[in-house]
Amino acid sequence: KAGVTQTPRYLIKTRGQQVTLSCSPISGHRSVSWYQQTPGQGLQFLFEYFSETQRNKGNFPGRFSGRQFSNSRSEMNVSTLELGDSALYLCASSLNGPGQTNEKLFFGSGTQLSVL
Amino acid sequence: DQQVKQNSPSLSVQEGRISILNCDYTNSMFDYFLWYKKYPAEGPTFLISISSIKDKNEDGRFTVFLNKSAKHLSLHIVPSQPGDSAVYFCAASYNNAGNMLTFGGGTRLMVKP
Repeated sequence: KAGVTQTPRYLIKTRGQQVTLSCSPISGHRSVSWYQQTPGQGLQFLFEYFSETQRNKGNFPGRFSGRQFSNSRSEMNVSTLELGDSALYLCASSLNGPGQTNEKLFFGSGTQLSVL
Repeated sequence: DQQVKQNSPSLSVQEGRISILNCDYTNSMFDYFLWYKKYPAEGPTFLISISSIKDKNEDGRFTVFLNKSAKHLSLHIVPSQPGDSAVYFCAASYNNAGNMLTFGGGTRLMVKP
């Protein structure tokens, strides 16, 4: 079974631009979560989608948004990039049906975003 | 406000000995805890988890202990192997939080041959 796939692997943008990152979950997994990893703040939860609906959202500004498609693939978008958005963005998937929590997450290798 | 803390940024252990990684949390609502291992340029890999109804969970060389009264958990690796060298993250969640995990800052484990 293929793992969680994230594209692109590396991305360089300049301040003010916008960026879209893509995530394909493990086949059959219906929940996709996004996390940001930075040296200063560690791993922080961005949002989670299940059945095309945002289920939870972390404490990030509205410039960070996401969506999930009917095939469970997900994208996240960051608009008006700032230098502080430079980070490793990780996507994770799980089976996680409604009412089933506490499942382990399977992470992709991430997209390393550098904002210049 | 860090709700999950790993106070040791790094730990060095000799091969074959025990590695003990510690994690403290402050939010009493947390009822599920996980440990992840991360190699450079890769995403975190799930290691082991424990529900708050238990105080111990074992999987091969890995054992997680939970002390709810102290809001403390630890991961024991016995025996430690050089391939265990990685960054270890503890994470916590609570019922109805879905997959919203709160992570600690990580501990870099180095196992010396």
